Parts: sequence; structure tokens; C-alpha cells
Amino acid sequence: QKEVEQNSGPLSVPEGAIASLNCTYSDRGSQSFFWYRQYSGKSPELIMFIYSNGDKEDGRFTAQLNKASQYVSLLIRDSQPSDSATYLCAVKEYGNKLVFGAGTILRVKS
Amino acid sequence: GAGVSQSPRYKVAKRGQDVALRCDPISGHVSLFWYQQALGQGPEFLTYFQNEAQLDKSGLPSDRFFAERPEGSVSTLKIQRTQQEDSAVYLCASSPWTSEDTQYFGPGTRLTVL
Repeated sequence: QKEVEQNSGPLSVPEGAIASLNCTYSDRGSQSFFWYRQYSGKSPELIMFIYSNGDKEDGRFTAQLNKASQYVSLLIRDSQPSDSATYLCAVKEYGNKLVFGAGTILRVKS
Repeated sequence: GAGVSQSPRYKVAKRGQDVALRCDPISGHVSLFWYQQALGQGPEFLTYFQNEAQLDKSGLPSDRFFAERPEGSVSTLKIQRTQQEDSAVYLCASSPWTSEDTQYFGPGTRLTVL
């Protein structure tokens, strides 16, 4: 059973701080990794994808991938109350389906 | 442009009833996926279409679940003889034929089985 693990949280950070969200995966052959944001009662919304080891930055968001450690993370700089949501880590398996973690709840306090 | 749409948004069924959930993908998207999301969990894969071909149905939990995409665009997920454990949000996602293969999700259908 291929798995994606996330700390369920909630992770609470003050406004303006850096939020660090982590994810580990079991399939060493995985090549594509995604972070989705899901507000309560809404559908998942893609934030970033990453395929190569290292960092990928997009605005306030940075995704980090370490394939040797089977570890993916998402950093959110200058966290805002509007960033409060559940963050889902997903790994693409052979055949294109996504395997999701259970999600980490982020709360940004103003 | 228009995103993925799903209907109905909410469905209440009595145990034993059949339900049909519809997904309209983004125009021109080749791939279509169905996921099931239980409360407090991440989405779980049900099935995958490439155009009209159902290439993977390994996630369908039982033979009561059936999906089709006869003309390669709109898809329907049908659940026969619904059970209480079928209560969940059913998400549809579509993806263009590109190397990125990013999946774009619809708003979901919340199914409640009483």
C-alpha cells in the first residue's frame, strides 16, 4: 500500500510568520509531487507542483523536495489569515492517479 | 474559462437507492478522474478515464460503483443500492494532455445516505 503521510495539525502560526508543512511518501519511484489547498467545504486548489530535488519558489510559497529522504515540504512566508486552510500533499502514481495525504490544518492567527 | 462543474452539489439518498453524479470537465481535457473524500481525510482515487476509455478502476470500492464517459467529455458516477458508508464528497478532476498533468478539481457532490 503506497502511502503519503502528513501531520494532521492543527499547525498554528502568527500572522507574518513562516508556516512549514511536511509530507513523507513511501513509493521511492514517485516522480511528481503536488501541494493543494482546501478551504472548508470547498474543493482542492493546486498551489504548486515539483518534480526535481531542491527548492521551487512561487511568490510566498516554496516547495522543497528530497527524493533520497522521500520528503516534500511547503513553506509559506509572511503567512496571512487567508492562508488558514487544510493543505494536502499528493503524489502521482504510475497511471496518473494522485495519492493524497490526510492533510494538515493550518491556522494563521492575526 | 469555465472550470470543472459537478451536479448535483448535494444529494440525500435513502439507503438502498441508486444515485447518479455528473461531472463536466474543462473543455478539451483528455483525462478525467473521480475521487471520494470522507470527512477529515484526503481524497481517495476511484477511477480514471482517458477520453472515453476507462483505464483504471482499481479504486472503486465495490461492484455497486460504476462510472462511464461514453463520448469522452461528460462523465457519470453511479452508485447502486447506496449504503451509509457511501456518504462522502465525490470529487471530479480533469487534466489536459500535457507533460505537467496537473489535475483541476470540481466543487464536488456531497452525498448523504440516510
